[in-house]
Amino acid sequence: GESVGLHLPTLSVQEGDNSIINCAYSNSASDYFIWYKQESGKGPQFIIDIRSNMDKRQGQRVTVLLNKTVKHLSLQIAATQPGDSAVYFCAEGEDAGNMLTFGGGTRLMVKP
Amino acid sequence: EPEVTQTPSHQVTQMGQEVILRCVPISNHLYFYWYRQILGQKVEFLVSFYNNEISEKSEIFDDQFSVERPDGSNFTLKIRSTKLEDSAMYFCASSELGNSNSGNTIYFGEGSWLTVV
Repeated sequence: GESVGLHLPTLSVQEGDNSIINCAYSNSASDYFIWYKQESGKGPQFIIDIRSNMDKRQGQRVTVLLNKTVKHLSLQIAATQPGDSAVYFCAEGEDAGNMLTFGGGTRLMVKP
Repeated sequence: EPEVTQTPSHQVTQMGQEVILRCVPISNHLYFYWYRQILGQKVEFLVSFYNNEISEKSEIFDDQFSVERPDGSNFTLKIRSTKLEDSAMYFCASSELGNSNSGNTIYFGEGSWLTVV
């Protein structure tokens, strides 16, 4: 799920299928992880978060999985809909501060 | 749902000019932030603000940048002398709590697109 420069990894799924978006993070001191959705020309929209003492958290149609051993975060979207089409960013933060560090983003395209 | 609002949505300015971007955070929030996103790139942290002072800032937030909470509702980002590389989308954000609190959520505004020519 990481990207460099202008290239965004793209995940293309069929409407109704499940989507899995991945993110590798580098800071082993991160305590807090968030997934944001960003539609074109808009600000990041909070989807779901998870703290480092958890490995799974579920929301409405979304699940976040955290594997601290390999520093990996994933977002699962069930029954993906056209309205889910957007760029998805993972972000991480430490309890010691208030800043978030964003990943490079993954573009999700949902085919009707 | 309460939201963070930003003005202007788009501003074009000449290099060297001063720019002020304005934000109204969510009313009961105590932590305020500015982030920026250069076209096609990651969202980058600039600064966080709590209790009327900067609590954290990145390397991007140099002496050309300043933030202010001039009254009980507004939070502003000033770029003193804009450069071409300041062209980006600037996002204001706010949260009720800091990162160390479980359940804290950082809400972003829709952004102010700054074009420096």
